[in-house]
Amino acid sequence: QVQLKESGPGLVKPSETLSLTCTVSGFSLTSYHVSWVRQPPGKGLEWMGVIWGDGSTAYNSALKSRLSISRDTSKSQVFLKMSSLKTEDTATYYCAGSYRYWGQGVMVTVSS
Amino acid sequence: DIQMTQSPSLLSASVGDRVTINCKASQNINKYLNWYQQKLGEAPKLLIYNTNNLQTGIPSRFSGSGSGTDYTLTISSLQPEDFGTYFCFQHNSWPTFGAGTKLELK
Repeated sequence: QVQLKESGPGLVKPSETLSLTCTVSGFSLTSYHVSWVRQPPGKGLEWMGVIWGDGSTAYNSALKSRLSISRDTSKSQVFLKMSSLKTEDTATYYCAGSYRYWGQGVMVTVSS
Repeated sequence: DIQMTQSPSLLSASVGDRVTINCKASQNINKYLNWYQQKLGEAPKLLIYNTNNLQTGIPSRFSGSGSGTDYTLTISSLQPEDFGTYFCFQHNSWPTFGAGTKLELK
C-alpha cells in the first residue's frame, strides 16, 4: 500500500537550513506529485510546494525565496530544504502524495 | 493567491445530527476542492476529492457538493468518531487551505 514517511532533525537553530526527507513506497515519484505541507502548533495547514511527476516544482510565493524541493527517484525520496529559518517556522511538516496520501509528519522546532 | 473562507470555525453538534461545513473561494476553483479530517496529533485524512468524490474507505455519510466558488461538506448522521477538525483545500491553482472547522460534541 502507499506509505510516506518524513524524517529530519527535531531541532534547528534560527538562521540555519532545514533539511527534511520524505521516503515513499507503493507509488512511483514519476507518476505522482508530492507536496510539502506544514502546520504550526495549534494552527492551520499551509501548502509549501510541490514536485510534479516530471520533476518540475512550484512553491508558495511566501516561501519561494527560502525553499527548495528535489527528489531522488532511485531511492523514492523527496527532499525539502528551507533556509534562513525563523522561530515562526516551528511546525509539523508533512509530505503528501497527490494530496491523497499523507505521512505521519515530523515536528520541527526552531530555537536557539 | 486564492483565499478560502471556511465557515463555521466552530461547530457544536450531537451524535445523529446532520452537519454542513462551507468553503467559499475568492475566485472560481473549477471543482478542484478537497476535504480533510484531522484528529489531534494525527495527519489530515482525505475524505472527499474534487468536490464530490468519496475517497476509498470513507463512509457514505460524508458527501460533498458545490461549484464555482462555493463548496459544502455534509455529514448526514454524525457519529462519535467524526469529531475533529475539518479543512477544505483548493488545488485549482497555487493551493490553499481553509482555516478549519472544529467539530465538537454539544
